[in-house]
Amino acid sequence: GAVVSQHPSWVICKSGTSVKIECRSLDFQATTMFWYRQFPKQSLMLMATSNEGSKATYEQGVEKDKFLINHASLTLSTLTVTSAHPEDSSFYICSADGLLAGASTDTQYFGPGTRLTVL
Amino acid sequence: RKEVEQDPGPFNVPEGATVAFNCTYSNSASQSFFWYRQDCRKEPKLLMSVYSSGNEDGRFTAQLNRASQYISLLIRDSKLSDSATYLCVVIPSGNTGKLIFGQGTTLQVKP
Repeated sequence: GAVVSQHPSWVICKSGTSVKIECRSLDFQATTMFWYRQFPKQSLMLMATSNEGSKATYEQGVEKDKFLINHASLTLSTLTVTSAHPEDSSFYICSADGLLAGASTDTQYFGPGTRLTVL
Repeated sequence: RKEVEQDPGPFNVPEGATVAFNCTYSNSASQSFFWYRQDCRKEPKLLMSVYSSGNEDGRFTAQLNRASQYISLLIRDSKLSDSATYLCVVIPSGNTGKLIFGQGTTLQVKP
């Protein structure tokens, strides 16, 4: 079954509104979560690394004031797209780094993604 | 130059065919290498890790050539269900957990 969930799975909003996306690790604690964005027919691009209890580390070219990341607990990270515009329409995917019970090594598990459409 | 480069395809092959995908990476200090599979509008899923010694998992064989900074994936006896986009993924040096994705190669297996 799924080990990382995302909510919502899709969202349509008007330009200028803010959208919050949640990423939860279901069966393990994730000290580190990652947020990616994927435009059609393009690769997944890492936006930021989210560490529990500290500020996120953003990749070059990603505006930290526009994409607010909060990692308040070991099982939850949120990405808020503030003042969304049509060019922010994309597939946002989170991943969580962790060790499942019975596993021998850390693995990165991906959420099912959130499809954002900004009108 | 992109950190991870792949031929986007699409590769259109008949069922039962053998198909190979290639990938090159630019950072010679990269540590770990993977192939992921992504179905349309879904999240990527780990297909297999790639080791210098090569590794095989059923119909899938992955190879790494560190000298040439080249990774390959071979799929034998293609099935219709193999149709997907195959992503070459690299972890650069350092233990940050950051994954660098290639653009992906699309495979269409036809009956």
